[in-house]
Order: sequence, then C-alpha cells, then structure tokens
Amino acid sequence: QLQLQESGPGLVKPSETLSLTCTVSGGSISSSSYHWGWIRQPPGKGLEWIGNIYYSGTTYYNPSLKSRVTISVDTSKNQFSLKLSSVTAADTAVYYCARYSTVTGWFDPWGQGTLVTVSS
Amino acid sequence: DIQMTQSPSSVSASVGDRVTITCRASQGIASWLAWYQQKPGKAPKLLIYTASSLQSGVPSRFSGSGSGTDFTLTISSLQPEDFATYYCQHANSFPLHFGPGTKVDIK
Repeated sequence: QLQLQESGPGLVKPSETLSLTCTVSGGSISSSSYHWGWIRQPPGKGLEWIGNIYYSGTTYYNPSLKSRVTISVDTSKNQFSLKLSSVTAADTAVYYCARYSTVTGWFDPWGQGTLVTVSS
Repeated sequence: DIQMTQSPSSVSASVGDRVTITCRASQGIASWLAWYQQKPGKAPKLLIYTASSLQSGVPSRFSGSGSGTDFTLTISSLQPEDFATYYCQHANSFPLHFGPGTKVDIK
C-alpha cells in the first residue's frame, strides 16, 4: 500500500526558507502515470495547490507562489522536496504531499500533513 | 486560471438527510473534477474523480454528477461519519485549484 510521509522543521523564521521532504513508501516514485504534489492548508482555511513534479524533474507551480517555490525529486531515495523562500506568517499552514494521477486528475493518497509555523 | 466556487459554504443536516453540494468552475472543464472529504485534523480523502467515478472503498451513498462548469456531490442518506468538510478540485489544466469547501455539520 502506497504511503507518503512529510518531514521537516515545524518552525521557520520569517524571511527564511521552508524546506520539507516527502518520502514515498510501498511504491516507486518513478511511475509514468503520476506526478507528486504539494498542497497546503492555513489553519482554519481551505486547500491551496503549491505544485507538482514528475519523476523526470518536470515541474508545475502555482503562479501565486512560483517566484518562491522549488520542488525537486530524488528518485534514488524515493523522495521529493519542497522549498519555499522568503516566508512570512501567511505561509503558516499544514503542508501535505500527495500522489497525483495524470490520467484522472486526482490526489490520492495524501500524507498525514505537517504543520509549519512561521514565527521569530 | 480556472477558479472554483462551492455552495453552500455550510449546511446543517440530520442523519438520514439527502445532502447536495454544488461546485462551479469559472470555465468549462469537461469532467475533470474530483471531490474530497476532510475531517478535522486529517488529510483530505478522495471520494469522486472525473466528476462521477466513485473511488474504490467509498460508500455508494456518495455520488457525483455534472460536466462543463456545474457539478454536484450528493450524499443520499447522511451518516454520522459523513459530517466533514467537502472540497472540489479541477484537473483540467495547470494551475490546479480547489474550491473553498462546504462544511456539513449536525443540525
């Protein structure tokens, strides 16, 4: 059964870079039918798509975050990562990683999510 | 960008009620729509994809319909475990967007 798990610091200072890693287990990240995505959810608010990456390294970003976001993939470790630069309090959120089907356009499964707080 | 709206933003219902949630896309997306259920403190769970296909393991009381710009998620007989927030998400093209969510709570 495919599982995803986010990891990284839970507290980041303003203006610094948020870095998270998603580890995929129970399946290969090098599947031709899937992207790997990051989605975030500020406390008490809705879901915001951050971006997707294909195992080849092709990326798709939310234009509202594109200037600050970098998503990368490490197929040898079955992991993909998120970097968000110049963070502010508005970037405080639960960050989820998820598998995205390029055939049917859904996210499934999702990681459990990790809360990242931006505060000095 | 294709923007998504949902209505209502919240609905109060009783066990056994039929509940309908609407999702609208700002432009046509054919059937490229998914629905998710999210409970407090949990990750979203896929319910429906390509507008009307039921994800494996999801109870048959959940159904989806629609195409183009207007879509519906229906819960035919609300169960206690269905009280949650529901989100739609388009998959027509990048950037992807989720709807703002509809909270279903106990009447």
